[in-house]
Amino acid sequence: AQSVTQPDIHITVSEGASLELRCNYSYGATPYLFWYVQSPGQGLQLLLKYFSGDTLVQGIKGFEAEFKRSQSSFNLRKPSVHWSDAAEYFCAVRLYGNKLVFGAGTILRVKS
Amino acid sequence: DARVTQTPRHKVTEMGQEVTMRCQPILGHNTVFWYRQTMMQGLELLAYFRNRAPLDDSGMPKDRFSAEMPDATLATLKIQPSEPRDSAVYFCASGLREGVTEAFFGQGTRLTVV
Repeated sequence: AQSVTQPDIHITVSEGASLELRCNYSYGATPYLFWYVQSPGQGLQLLLKYFSGDTLVQGIKGFEAEFKRSQSSFNLRKPSVHWSDAAEYFCAVRLYGNKLVFGAGTILRVKS
Repeated sequence: DARVTQTPRHKVTEMGQEVTMRCQPILGHNTVFWYRQTMMQGLELLAYFRNRAPLDDSGMPKDRFSAEMPDATLATLKIQPSEPRDSAVYFCASGLREGVTEAFFGQGTRLTVV
């Protein structure tokens, strides 16, 4: 069955430090992958997406993600975290017809 | 600025009452999704429409939940009768079937059933 695993429930980083959030997927076909961010009380906002081509994808707010087919991973990175990045981050894989399967999410805390 | 609009943003109701949540998808989008978010289950897909026709509602409890699209600008999710375990945030999202695009999410309806 198709699934998305985010192994880290919580991550705490210092402001200015680098960040990597892990995502592993299980999907038989070519995956279409997404990272969404959710601030408290808000909906999900798309950070970036991978459909094909260059495996390093740039997104909004300085985020990037790298697709590694051999590892079935799509990890999200940011070189320098800002306090406003504190939120919950969701990785998702698209199935047929734009149906998304989400990971359980990773809550990012930023300490000053 | 095109966006998905959900109403109400918050709803508190008593067990047994009917609840209707509404969603206005982005104009021109032909796919609509209803997701439910809880602490225990995370984000679950309840129903999925394309061109107003339901394609997949396997994630929805059929005995009490129903989802419809009366027209292209309105999607509804109804719970009757509501139960405390239905307390959650319900998100609507819309997208385009053609091409490979993302789903755009509304801000959600936070439902509390007491």
